[in-house]
Amino acid sequence: QVQLVQSGTEVKKPGASVKVSCKASGYTFIDNVIHWVRQAPGRGLEWMGWIDPKRGVTFHAEKFQARVAMTGDTSITTTYMELTTLRSDDTAVYHCVREVGHRGQFDYWGQGTLVTVSS
Amino acid sequence: QSALTQPASVSGSPGQSITISCTGASSDIGSHDLVSWYQQYPGQTPKLIIYEAFKRPSGVSNRFSGSKSGNTASLTISGLQADDEADYYCCSLINRDWVFGGGTMLTVL
Repeated sequence: QVQLVQSGTEVKKPGASVKVSCKASGYTFIDNVIHWVRQAPGRGLEWMGWIDPKRGVTFHAEKFQARVAMTGDTSITTTYMELTTLRSDDTAVYHCVREVGHRGQFDYWGQGTLVTVSS
Repeated sequence: QSALTQPASVSGSPGQSITISCTGASSDIGSHDLVSWYQQYPGQTPKLIIYEAFKRPSGVSNRFSGSKSGNTASLTISGLQADDEADYYCCSLINRDWVFGGGTMLTVL
């Protein structure tokens, strides 16, 4: 069965960086784009960007352009999302999400990684 | 403030039908069918319930249906049940970005 298993909770100080991992299993890793979506406490879902593990191509929302990097390692079927220069409003649960067919069908979600930014 | 507008809350009684709207623009929802809907219970991950505006993934109840008219996509839940009480989000492609609506809290009275 398809699974996306993410790394654990992180606590960071403002200005620091965080790198969240997402280990995929149960399907052919290079066949699907992985997106990253975050949700601040009590708030809605916010799309951050995607990575195509097959081609290594990424695309990010303009809001995160200068601060986010998405990478992948096909040898261990894992994608990573690194967010730099953290601020308090980056406190959120970060999800990796599998997309089917390049048409916005987000069918499997990682369990989420809570990132808390606090001094 | 999302570019996709959803009502903050809707409510209905068991057995009734409710509809949640998701309004975009002629350049996004009005020009393609790339709209999906997600159900999220508190503290849980979102679940895909509708994709490509009208399609339902296998395993999702046929009480959930999607539609679209002009710049507005809609999610209808028929035969409302207590466990339909959750947050619902639409998502669509705007230019090259995927954008989520602000979410709608469904209360089953």
